[in-house]
Amino acid sequence: KNEVEQSPQNLTAQEGEFITINCSYSVGISALHWLQQHPGGGIVSLFMLSSGKKKHGRLIATINIQEKHSSLHITASHPRDSAVYICAGWKTSGSRLTFGEGTQLTVNP
Amino acid sequence: DAGVIQSPRHEVTEMGQEVTLRCKPISGHDYLFWYRQTMMRGLELLIYFNNNVPIDDSGMPEDRFSAKMPNASFSTLKIQPSEPRDSAVYFCASSPQPGNTQYFGPGTRLTVL
Repeated sequence: KNEVEQSPQNLTAQEGEFITINCSYSVGISALHWLQQHPGGGIVSLFMLSSGKKKHGRLIATINIQEKHSSLHITASHPRDSAVYICAGWKTSGSRLTFGEGTQLTVNP
Repeated sequence: DAGVIQSPRHEVTEMGQEVTLRCKPISGHDYLFWYRQTMMRGLELLIYFNNNVPIDDSGMPEDRFSAKMPNASFSTLKIQPSEPRDSAVYFCASSPQPGNTQYFGPGTRLTVL
């Protein structure tokens, strides 16, 4: 079992829709990172959170430590949101990120 | 700030050749990470440095891979000899503290023929 698991693997939405990507993680992970990778390949860190909720523009990330679950929400989705979204857990033991498989999001106009 | 700088952006080489990838982290960041991304395995940590010292190289696939950080502003990842299965995108990232946000470079797309 992977230490970080994401769902869904692929997601297609219409412009304007509310989008949720889920991530569950195992014991030993102290913080969750959400990354965005555009078709050009560059990786951008969106959020790093160890508790609660963070918001940046139309993006919201939440984490439930008891359930070991995090979600990334996109409100009023737009075609420019089309990208791969990667959840990564920070392993305290080993001081390293362990990555989920990514969610390919396509937002159609 | 220019962000993390990697060079070259693309590298095409033949099997058996030596390949050197370069990275300049963000000034003041004490942590530098090298990652590899493939379709089959996704993103994987190869090695990371703290204050120029290699801390964990357990992700380095085999002895053909080596990494150095001679000073705080420069790191190299070398593959010698290269093999077709090394074809991947190699990312460098830096961070001010462990567990903090990591800032990724644009990546080097390596193709070994």
